Amino acid sequence: DSGVTQTPKHLITATGQRVTLRCSPRSGDLSVYWYQQSLDQGLQFLIQYYNGEERAKGNILERFSAQQFPDLHSELNLSSLELGDSALYFCASSYRTSGPQGQFFGPGTRLTVL
Amino acid sequence: AQKITQTQPGMFVQEKEAVTLDCTYDTSDQSYGLFWYKQPSSGEMIFLIYQGSYDEQNATEGRYSLNFQKARKSANLVISASQLGDSAMYFCAMREGLWSGGSNYKLTFGKGTLLTVNP
Repeated sequence: DSGVTQTPKHLITATGQRVTLRCSPRSGDLSVYWYQQSLDQGLQFLIQYYNGEERAKGNILERFSAQQFPDLHSELNLSSLELGDSALYFCASSYRTSGPQGQFFGPGTRLTVL
Repeated sequence: AQKITQTQPGMFVQEKEAVTLDCTYDTSDQSYGLFWYKQPSSGEMIFLIYQGSYDEQNATEGRYSLNFQKARKSANLVISASQLGDSAMYFCAMREGLWSGGSNYKLTFGKGTLLTVNP
């Protein structure tokens, strides 16, 4: 158990809908990262938050947005969903520097868009 | 150009034998970190081992060791005494740059190697 929690574990929805994925980082970790894993694109970085502030953006679509709340949990919002958004979405956390401990990943949310 | 290259889509190893999973990387940064993660069929990503670019010794964690050859930009994972439970997808990843109060620490991943341990 990495200490990072993600809800829900599975999500099935229809095209055009909006969903929210939730992540709670390990206790004490200030950074939260979101990654998308799909068969064709592999594991891709989406966005990073550090202590409530957005720090970096990767290959995140404009239909996607995220935020980190004062209690450090984070939410990833996916809207106008398309079939291609079906993927495994991971949240990871680290304290400040990823250092020797790396980033610790949550169990992921598997999103299926029908 | 790919930043992380894992050239072995699949590997097979006999139980109790050692196996090496290849990883080469591309960066112009002097400071970077290299990571290996394991992803079993259940889907979770499990952190295995880390090597910093300034670390002079190869990293080891139990049965895992990282064969770091900086000049060749390779960071191969060696698993000794393979076990059936080692069957999984293995990802090499890199973090570029130095920490400076919140800089981007995203990981760039390779495409992975699927390891199958045979009894």
